[in-house]
Amino acid sequence: EAEVAQSPRYKITEKSQAVAFWCDPISGHATLYWYRQILGQGPELLVQFQDESVVDDSQLPKDRFSAERLKGVDSTLKIQPAELGDSAMYLCASSPSDYSGNTIYFGEGSWLTVV
Amino acid sequence: AQSVAQPEDQVNVAEGNPLTVKCTYSVSGNPYLFWYVQYPNRGLQFLLKYITGDNLVKGSYGFEAEFNKSQTSFHLKKPSALVSDSALYFCAVRDRGSTLGRLYFGRGTQLTVWP
Repeated sequence: EAEVAQSPRYKITEKSQAVAFWCDPISGHATLYWYRQILGQGPELLVQFQDESVVDDSQLPKDRFSAERLKGVDSTLKIQPAELGDSAMYLCASSPSDYSGNTIYFGEGSWLTVV
Repeated sequence: AQSVAQPEDQVNVAEGNPLTVKCTYSVSGNPYLFWYVQYPNRGLQFLLKYITGDNLVKGSYGFEAEFNKSQTSFHLKKPSALVSDSALYFCAVRDRGSTLGRLYFGRGTQLTVWP
């Protein structure tokens, strides 16, 4: 069964350092999402791509977060500089298209701890 | 604005007994509704969704959910709980009229099934 691949699974970084997460969606999925899940809360959308274009980044803290999906396949989420409050799980997800009834499939997540 | 409420942080049930995890939602239009399950340190796994048609939706691992439009609810149910069902459960909603397709999640309900 196809899966959304994410790396690294765990990352510990010092405050003010840069950190990056990588995601490879399910093959053929045009829509890619990055969600952030803080412990004890539900996931919240950071950014949504349709192919290589950003369609929703309204909740992305653009002063320190950036995301790209250059060829419309895999994607990278970067944080620079990291802050203590960025400690969370970063979840990548994908779906076949932007049709709202499609199921969104999630990866295993990347745990970030900022110290 | 879209939102999801899961009124119970924790649900405890004995193995073999029926279980219910509650979810209510608020959307500006008509909803697509989803349930996901999360095991410790893992990503979200899709359980089931309501798109249209029969209000009773059947999903993975024997779970089902009933869409109630008048009560704006989408409660998750299972006739006979297993210890292995113990996990964190998330309800999510999408406005089918939205062009962006963002999923809004509840805070999650921790289900514990004791032997």
